[in-house]
Amino acid sequence: DAGVTQSPTHLIKTRGQQVTLRCSPKSGHDTVSWYQQALGQGPQFIFQYYEEEERQRGNFPDRFSGHQFPNYSSELNVNALLLGDSALYLCASSRITSDRSGEQYFGPGTRLTVT
Amino acid sequence: GQQLNQSPQSMFIQEGEDVSMNCTSSSIFNTWLWYKQDPGEGPVLLIALYKAGELTSNGRLTAQFGITRKDSFLNISASIPSDVGIYFCAGHNQGGKLIFGQGTELSVKP
Repeated sequence: DAGVTQSPTHLIKTRGQQVTLRCSPKSGHDTVSWYQQALGQGPQFIFQYYEEEERQRGNFPDRFSGHQFPNYSSELNVNALLLGDSALYLCASSRITSDRSGEQYFGPGTRLTVT
Repeated sequence: GQQLNQSPQSMFIQEGEDVSMNCTSSSIFNTWLWYKQDPGEGPVLLIALYKAGELTSNGRLTAQFGITRKDSFLNISASIPSDVGIYFCAGHNQGGKLIFGQGTELSVKP
């Protein structure tokens, strides 16, 4: 039973560029959430996708956008990259219809460095 | 962004000692969760708590959901070197996002 997978593992981009990160949820899960984790901090919620729609959004600018596909996998896009976007980007999956919908399982993350 | 108040920030202990860390919030949560994160990895779910007052164990780990629903603690008994890492609490309400604490960094001396 595969867990949450993310790609790529590491990425280096230049200021102003655009980036796309990818996530495949755990088998049986239908909801994907994205988090940004700066060094030394806890993860911060970006947004959540269910049934291919953005269900909830955290305090992040419109430069951060996402998508969920019919197979439940998801992408996170960041436009006009800033140095401050350098962080570990985590994807978490869960099953929204479960009475344990709060249990989110995380992937290994994508380390994004903006230079 | 919103965060829970987690303490202590860091702990240095001897192998075999017990560890306790806690998390408080100004808001109530329906679910409290505890995660462990190793360097370069994603957080791994350790324990999830669903009812106020609930006490749940997972091996040497025990966690409690506070009666007020605004706090939780995690205890680790008889620590071993592989317990090293950063422990995060997280709160959840119906509707999706997890709110995390700042983390407790645990170091264990053999």
